[in-house]
Amino acid sequence: GDQVEQSPSALSLHEGTGSALRCNFTTTMRAVQWFRKNSRGSLINLFYLASGTKENGRLKSAFDSKERYSTLHIRDAQLEDSGTYFCAAERASSGQKLVFGQGTILKVYL
Amino acid sequence: NAGVIQTPRHKVTGKGQEATLWCEPISGHSAVFWYRQTIVQGLEFLTYFRNQAPIDDSGMPKERFSAQMPNQSHSTLKIQSTQPQDSAVYLCASSLDLQGDTQYFGPGTRLLVL
Repeated sequence: GDQVEQSPSALSLHEGTGSALRCNFTTTMRAVQWFRKNSRGSLINLFYLASGTKENGRLKSAFDSKERYSTLHIRDAQLEDSGTYFCAAERASSGQKLVFGQGTILKVYL
Repeated sequence: NAGVIQTPRHKVTGKGQEATLWCEPISGHSAVFWYRQTIVQGLEFLTYFRNQAPIDDSGMPKERFSAQMPNQSHSTLKIQSTQPQDSAVYLCASSLDLQGDTQYFGPGTRLLVL
């Protein structure tokens, strides 16, 4: 069954506002990565977390292995933040292969 | 650092033909991964190598698909007798740390089987 449930599937934000994306896991994961797909279709690394939180500019991510979720917070959204965001996680028992969420299509508007 | 390099970027092939996709990982990275992205299935794992040795091919279709890593600087994914359902974006990724680390993705090869 689905191991990574990502929500929302789509999100519209007014420029300057913020929101959060979330991934729930149906099994124990040992690490999570967040990506943004750029305009050329490449996956750009945002965060890798094995625990706790990380912050980079207007983005902040958290991962709780025990509670089986990860979040990506975006604040002060800008037009260039528009794109598709993916979370991907490594199962604790399955080596380094990533299991991906279905993605969140983010649109930031003026 | 050029990142992960994948060639070709686009490939169109006829049903029944063979397709070979190439990946050059980031220099010094010990793990190489192959994934596939389709509209229906999303992004899904195919196979991975560590220090050129195959570790997990649980995501590979049992027939027609094979992957090799003959040296540390490149890996290939070969699809024999391609079918329309093989049409997808094939992504290669590499990572540095044997114990788990950030995977860096290439731009992908968009395969279209007519």
